[in-house]
Order: sequence, then C-alpha cells, then structure tokens
Amino acid sequence: QITLEESGPTLVKPTETLTVTCTVSGFSLSSSGVGVDWIRQPPGKALEWLALIYWDDDKRYSPSLKSRLTITKDTSKNKVFLTMTNMDPVDTATYYCAHRRLGQPPGAWGQGTLVTVSS
Amino acid sequence: EIVLTQSPGTLSLSPGERATLSCRASQSVKTNYLAWYQHKRGQAPRLLITGASNRATGVPDRFSGSGSGTDFTLTISRLEPEDFAVYYCLQYGGLPPWTFGQGTRVEIK
Repeated sequence: QITLEESGPTLVKPTETLTVTCTVSGFSLSSSGVGVDWIRQPPGKALEWLALIYWDDDKRYSPSLKSRLTITKDTSKNKVFLTMTNMDPVDTATYYCAHRRLGQPPGAWGQGTLVTVSS
Repeated sequence: EIVLTQSPGTLSLSPGERATLSCRASQSVKTNYLAWYQHKRGQAPRLLITGASNRATGVPDRFSGSGSGTDFTLTISRLEPEDFAVYYCLQYGGLPPWTFGQGTRVEIK
C-alpha cells in the first residue's frame, strides 16, 4: 500500500524559507517511472501544482514559482523535500505530496500539512 | 499555460440524481491527459479518472469521464451520499505547469 505523509512547520514568518518533508512508504523513490509531486491549496481556493521529482532525479517546476522552489529527495530515507524561499502570507496553504508514475497523474496523496505565513 | 475552467461552480442536487460536471481547456489537452479528482474537506484528494475516461482502481462505475481536445465531462450517474464533495479536473500533458480547474462543489439540495 502506497502512503505519503507530509510534515513541516505550521507557522513561518514572511521572508523566511519553508522546508516541507514528504515521507513515503509502499514504493521506492528509485523505482523506474516513479515520481513525487508537491501541490498546494490556499484556504478556500483551488489546487496548484508546484513541483515534481522523478526516480532519475529529473525535476520539474511551476514556471511562476521556479525561482523560489527546490525539490530534492533522499532515497535511502524515503523522503522528498520541497524548499520555498521568501515566504509571503499568500503562500499560506495546505501543502500536499503525491505519488505518480510516468505518464500518469498524481495518484495517492498525503493528507497535507497546513502552513501559515504570518509575522 | 493551459487554463481549465470548470462549470458550474456549485451543483445542488439530491441523492439519486445525475451530476454532470464540465471542464473546458483554453487549448487542446495533449493526448487527452485529463484527470478528475474528488476532494472532501480534511481529506486527501482522490483520483477518479485518468486519460479523460479511464476509471482509477476502485472507483465505482457510477463515475464516468468523457471528452477530448478542450471539452471534458465528469458524470456521476446516481449520486450517493458520499459523493457530495468538490471535484477538480487536472491537465497533465505536455510540459509544466500542469494545471487544475477551480473546482465544482456538488452539494445536497
């Protein structure tokens, strides 16, 4: 069974850097074709795709946020990380990670972690 | 960037009724790489449909997807109480950004 669990700070200050972690189980981050996405949802708003990392370390980013995002993984620890710099109150959202296979949309998702940006 | 526009914003229906949700793309979706998700408050989104019309594993057959190019539809043939939720479409073809629609809320009338 594929499971993903997000973790990270619940509150960050404006201009700070956010790092959220996705801990996965039921699959290997090095398995051919496997990817992990990060997606967020501001309160009361729609879902927004942020970034994706594949098994071979190929990375894709939302063009509008690319300058602020870094996605990495630690295969040995079954973790995927998303770093977002220069946080702003508009970045307040629930951050989700999700598993996908090449050519498929995100399938299994985590429950999400709410991050609030406030001074 | 492909913009997805979902309609209606809210659908008020009774259990047992048929729900028809629309997702329109600003340009053709490559290889009909269009997915549908169900999202309930406090839960992880659930994948329903891939490739515009293929039900994901474990999804009841009352859910069906159709369409191609720029116009896509999710149909729920007979609403069950657990189907009242927000539904999102996602285009995942071509290069990023992969984009979601703004959602359709299906509420109990």
